[in-house]
Amino acid sequence: IAGITQAPTSQILAAGRRMTLRCTQDMRHNAMYWYRQDLGLGLRLIHYSNTAGTTGKGEVPDGYSVSRANTDDFPLTLASAVPSQTSVYFCASSEGTLNEQFFGPGTRLTVL
Amino acid sequence: GQNIDQPTEMTATEGAIVQINCTYQTSGFNGLFWYQQHAGEAPTFLSYNVLDGLEEKGRFSSFLSRSKGYSYLLLKELQMKDSASYLCAVRDGDYKLSFGAGTTVTVRA
Repeated sequence: IAGITQAPTSQILAAGRRMTLRCTQDMRHNAMYWYRQDLGLGLRLIHYSNTAGTTGKGEVPDGYSVSRANTDDFPLTLASAVPSQTSVYFCASSEGTLNEQFFGPGTRLTVL
Repeated sequence: GQNIDQPTEMTATEGAIVQINCTYQTSGFNGLFWYQQHAGEAPTFLSYNVLDGLEEKGRFSSFLSRSKGYSYLLLKELQMKDSASYLCAVRDGDYKLSFGAGTTVTVRA
């Protein structure tokens, strides 16, 4: 089934630990995105990639890094997690920057 | 920064019509999207407007006025399954999406 998957579904993490959230799409979309969603704040863009091999910073990039080695995968890494990074993380993809975005099921992350 | 405003909550009766307003001030404009998000799930695409006017898609319609920085999503013949959060998102001059905080619509029998 074509779509976008994320792993893990949820995670509880100790502060200071390193964590990588995985995102894979099989729609051959060029562009991919990472958002966090917090109550009352809506979705905020963390990092994006318009095509494989390129990445850019969004609205809230501090404390996060990404890579885009190929078209399908777009992992998000928290180098040293802090409690303020507790959130629901959504990965999304679009055919191009002019097209609608399709969202993955999300990862619920709790940093203690 | 981008500023996108929409009401926090709305309640309506099954079979009725509800209009969700969205106003925006962004650095450039390259289209406005509406997404639906059920509790605990991912957002799903509903509609897209880039030119002024009304776009109709079944029970859902979306309107845009670029000069006023204003859009609305109209939900007709409300059903219980329409209870969800509705997100207004604007694509700015850098082709990035900025989202409003969302409007939670509760449909009552």
